[in-house]
Amino acid sequence: KQEVTQIPAALSVPEGENLVLNCSFTDSAIYNLQWFRQDPGKGLTSLLLIQSSQREQTSGRLNASLDKSSGRSTLYIAASQPGDSATYLCAVRGTGFQKLVFGTGTRLLVSP
Amino acid sequence: GAVVSQHPSRVICKSGTSVKIECRSLDFQATTMFWYRQFPKQSLMLMATSNEGSKATYEQGVEKDKFLINHASLTLSTLTVTSAHPEDSSFYICSASAGAAGETQYFGPGTRLLVL
Repeated sequence: KQEVTQIPAALSVPEGENLVLNCSFTDSAIYNLQWFRQDPGKGLTSLLLIQSSQREQTSGRLNASLDKSSGRSTLYIAASQPGDSATYLCAVRGTGFQKLVFGTGTRLLVSP
Repeated sequence: GAVVSQHPSRVICKSGTSVKIECRSLDFQATTMFWYRQFPKQSLMLMATSNEGSKATYEQGVEKDKFLINHASLTLSTLTVTSAHPEDSSFYICSASAGAAGETQYFGPGTRLLVL
């Protein structure tokens, strides 16, 4: 059974810092991995999707990497802004079926 | 990008009543729709997966007679919480996918259910 863990559970940084969020998964047989952002009381916004054959994906100030063999992914946020404050979720999709397994999330607070 | 809507965004009901939540894909045809539940400060837990025109597949531990799912068209799925109780109070999020397994899922804004 796939299990997804995110560290740290919460992170508070001053504006402008570069930061790294970590995601680990127990079963390396994945189809893809996705990073999402969730604002309080809201749904999910997809940030980046990495296919199992890819090493990384970039979008603006965000960069996500994937090391399938070690069961790890990182989300790098450059020059953080207060508007980046949210919960970040990673989710893994296994091969052969459609189910996404979500991590526990990292609550990020970027203070001005 | 693809847009998924949910209605209502928030609902308060009395214990024992039934509540219906709608999920719509606004600009694409959703072959598959997913329903998730999220408790405070916890992650999303998949409740069921449905394909248009067929019965939903429920995750282990989810009562299919309590959480009725109908995916009648390629743009609409409904979740009905029957005889709701306070422990059903949660944040319900739907998601839609246009294609086969592995296709990107687009998520709705969620519905906050409070059962008194």
